[in-house]
Amino acid sequence: QVQLVESGGGVVQPGRSLRLSCAASGFTFSNWPMHWVRQAPGKGLEWVAVISSDGSTEHYADSVKGRFTISRDISKRTLYLQLNSLRAEDTAVYYCARSGLVRGVNAYHFDYWGQGALVTVSS
Amino acid sequence: EIVLTQSPATLSLSPGERATLSCRASQSISSYLAWYQQKPGQAPRLLIYDASNRATGIPARFSGSGSGTDFTLTISSLEPGDFAVYYCQQRSHWPPITFGQGTRLEIK
Repeated sequence: QVQLVESGGGVVQPGRSLRLSCAASGFTFSNWPMHWVRQAPGKGLEWVAVISSDGSTEHYADSVKGRFTISRDISKRTLYLQLNSLRAEDTAVYYCARSGLVRGVNAYHFDYWGQGALVTVSS
Repeated sequence: EIVLTQSPATLSLSPGERATLSCRASQSISSYLAWYQQKPGQAPRLLIYDASNRATGIPARFSGSGSGTDFTLTISSLEPGDFAVYYCQQRSHWPPITFGQGTRLEIK
């Protein structure tokens, strides 16, 4: 079965960096685009970034562009999110999520989610 | 950026009743709308994609409809486990992919 397991969350000071990981299993990792979605405490869902199946293309939300970097290591079946220049408003649970498929074509809804990793930015 | 507006913010119903949740897009998104259910402390779960297609394992009491700018998620007969927060999400015009602000379905 598809499993996504995030790690790397924690408490970090403003302006510092953190790297999140998402270990994937149960599917052919190299065939699917992958996303990060975050949720601030008590708030709604915010899409953060997507990376193509082969890792050649990335897109970001304006709120994180230039500060966050999404990447993937296909040999390790792992998705990453590098978070730099962190701000208090980046405090959230960060979920990795797999893109869905519609008639065999990648579609940008999210059919499987990890359990989330909490990032708290505080001095 | 496509803005999704969900209504109502909170819906209070009893088990066995029918729930109707709305999602309105700021411009046409064809049928590229998904619905998710999120329970406290859990990740969201995909219910419906492309407006009306149930995801794998989703019970038939969940149905979606609509196209263009107006969409509806209907739960035909509420069960105790259905009380949660529901989000809509569009994939028509991206980046960014956007979500609605959520509808909380609570027990009356």
